[in-house]
Amino acid sequence: QLQLQESGPGLVKPSETLSLTCTVSGDSIRSTTYYWGWIRQPPGKGLEWIGSIYYSGSTYYNPSLNSRVTIFVDMSKNQFSLKLSSVTAADTAVYYCARHSEWGLHSPFDYWGQGTLVTVSS
Amino acid sequence: DIVMTQSPDSLAVSLGERATINCKSSQSVLYTSSNKNYLAWYQQKPGQPPTLLIYWASTRESGVPDRFSGSGSGTDFTLTISNLQAEDVAVYYCQQYYSTPRTFGQGTKVEIK
Repeated sequence: QLQLQESGPGLVKPSETLSLTCTVSGDSIRSTTYYWGWIRQPPGKGLEWIGSIYYSGSTYYNPSLNSRVTIFVDMSKNQFSLKLSSVTAADTAVYYCARHSEWGLHSPFDYWGQGTLVTVSS
Repeated sequence: DIVMTQSPDSLAVSLGERATINCKSSQSVLYTSSNKNYLAWYQQKPGQPPTLLIYWASTRESGVPDRFSGSGSGTDFTLTISNLQAEDVAVYYCQQYYSTPRTFGQGTKVEIK
């Protein structure tokens, strides 16, 4: 059974860089079938796609965050990670990692992590 | 960006009755060469991540009860929950995966009347 688990600091100071890691178990992140993504949800609000990555390192970002976002894969640890720079209070959210289903990048998210709340505050 | 607009924002339905949620995209999410609509529906219960209910606008994910059904094409889509159960209380989101950025509707909260 595939499982995804987010980890990282729950509190980040304004202007600093948010860093989160998603550990994948039950499948290999180097699978040629799947893409992997990050989605966030501000408290009490809706869902926003941040970006997605293929095991090869190909990345696809939301243009609204493009200049601040980096997503990368660590195949040796079966993990993929998110870095979001120059954060503000508007970046406070629950951050989810998820897997695109079997049809590649143009497919929905069929497995999600439980999410981790990141608060941006001094 | 493709803007996804859901209606209503919330609805209250009696147990055993039908709930209908609409989702409209600002441009078509129908890929004509495959005749597939790149539209999914998710359910999110409080404190939990979303779970995939429907993809390709009308295909139920494995394990999803058949009281959940999706319909529509192009820019107009509907999620129907027939015979509403107490465990269906949740927020429901539509999402397009036709183009980047992937975008979600604002969500529709379903409650018991």
